[in-house]
Amino acid sequence: QSALTQPASVSGSPGQSITISCTGTSSDVGGYNYVSWYQQHPGKAPKLMIYEVSNRPSGVSNRFSGSKSGNTASLTISGLQAEDEADYYCSSYTSSSLGFGGGTKLTVL
Amino acid sequence: QLQLQESGPGLVKPSETLSLTCTVSGGSISSSSYYWGWIRQPPGKGLEWIGSIYYSGSTYYNPSLKSRVTISVDTSKNQFSLKLSSVTAADTAVYYCARLLTMIVTHWGQGTLVTVSS
Repeated sequence: QSALTQPASVSGSPGQSITISCTGTSSDVGGYNYVSWYQQHPGKAPKLMIYEVSNRPSGVSNRFSGSKSGNTASLTISGLQAEDEADYYCSSYTSSSLGFGGGTKLTVL
Repeated sequence: QLQLQESGPGLVKPSETLSLTCTVSGGSISSSSYYWGWIRQPPGKGLEWIGSIYYSGSTYYNPSLKSRVTISVDTSKNQFSLKLSSVTAADTAVYYCARLLTMIVTHWGQGTLVTVSS
């Protein structure tokens, strides 16, 4: 059972925006600004997309953005493209440990 | 460019110990800024952090695996290793080695599938 709760799937059409939520507790998401988001294409290693709630690593498109409110973090992808179709995982620091969400499959219709 | 490469047996028998090594190239494992860790992903399932180590040897383990896990570092070889004891079929997974900045996974190895079966 994952420490963080994500929807199993989301979908959107090209050009639209979607948001993936990641719900934890005050002991993880709500208590620290160490929320990250990872993109994983089939058969590939995950890739860091957002760190520390809302920061983008160099090279990641500005179509990806992150935010947090209370115990829930969110990843928003704007201007959906076919290449965005992938699994997305959130993670958060908690008590000297790292917890992951169960993952969300994004389908671009 | 930093690269991480996992190596080790792809098949382990139940009750035995899984052993993997991660070789780091393009950067020093002795960098004071980073931790080095292991993350696994059972087939068709999500990610699970196993543990992390600092170059000095300080370790942090997932509480659910702590009794079976040992992570060590060899700075002379720019490598770090994972040992997971008393494995069962539930330990079958793709195992990734990774570089972490605090609890942010900045770089991932390509992953290696380890199957637990007799």
